[in-house]
Amino acid sequence: GQQVMQIPQYQHVQEGEDFTTYCNSSTTLSNIQWYKQRPGGHPVFLIQLVKSGEVKKQKRLTFQFGEAKKNSSLHITATQTTDVGTYFCAGRGSGNTGKLIFGQGTTLQVKP
Amino acid sequence: EAQVTQNPRYLITVTGKKLTVTCSQNMNHEYMSWYRQDPGLGLRQIYYSMNVEVTDKGDVPEGYKVSRKEKRNFPLILESPSPNQTSLYFCASSFTGRDSVWNSPLHFGNGTRLTVT
Repeated sequence: GQQVMQIPQYQHVQEGEDFTTYCNSSTTLSNIQWYKQRPGGHPVFLIQLVKSGEVKKQKRLTFQFGEAKKNSSLHITATQTTDVGTYFCAGRGSGNTGKLIFGQGTTLQVKP
Repeated sequence: EAQVTQNPRYLITVTGKKLTVTCSQNMNHEYMSWYRQDPGLGLRQIYYSMNVEVTDKGDVPEGYKVSRKEKRNFPLILESPSPNQTSLYFCASSFTGRDSVWNSPLHFGNGTRLTVT
């Protein structure tokens, strides 16, 4: 079945350093979503990518969708302590189904 | 305020004692889903519902039941809980989108931390 692998599982950075998390799907995706979960909180939607090769930015966050629509990345420039949390990608396969497959998540720790 | 409400937030129970976790949304969303979150495994889908009276298994449905008798409610039922169901559970909902295109984000509840001893 469809699988979404996300790496790394954990990342510790010094405040001001950059951070990237990667998602890879075993099958072609119709779209991919990214969520952020603060410690003790629930996942909150960040963005959705739909088109092949799409790049979207939200302030210091840059999201990319691969040309083959099988991989995606989230890059944070100059991390801040407010970036702490777990970032999940979630891929939806082709067809109108309810199966949104989440990656394992990347937990980001930022040292001030 | 648009929200997904789960209850209870915390639950400690014993093996075999039936329990229900409630989930309600006030956004008129067609789609609702239950996930469990375990360290290193991310969010795994238990069951989902595309609309009233339409439910389907996710990736880890064993030991769980759901029902969707009304659009706003999607309770998760554990008929005979076991310790391996100790986890953090999230309910989520979204619109299904137009033209069979899923373009709506999931809205999550605050979570239910279940411990089965």
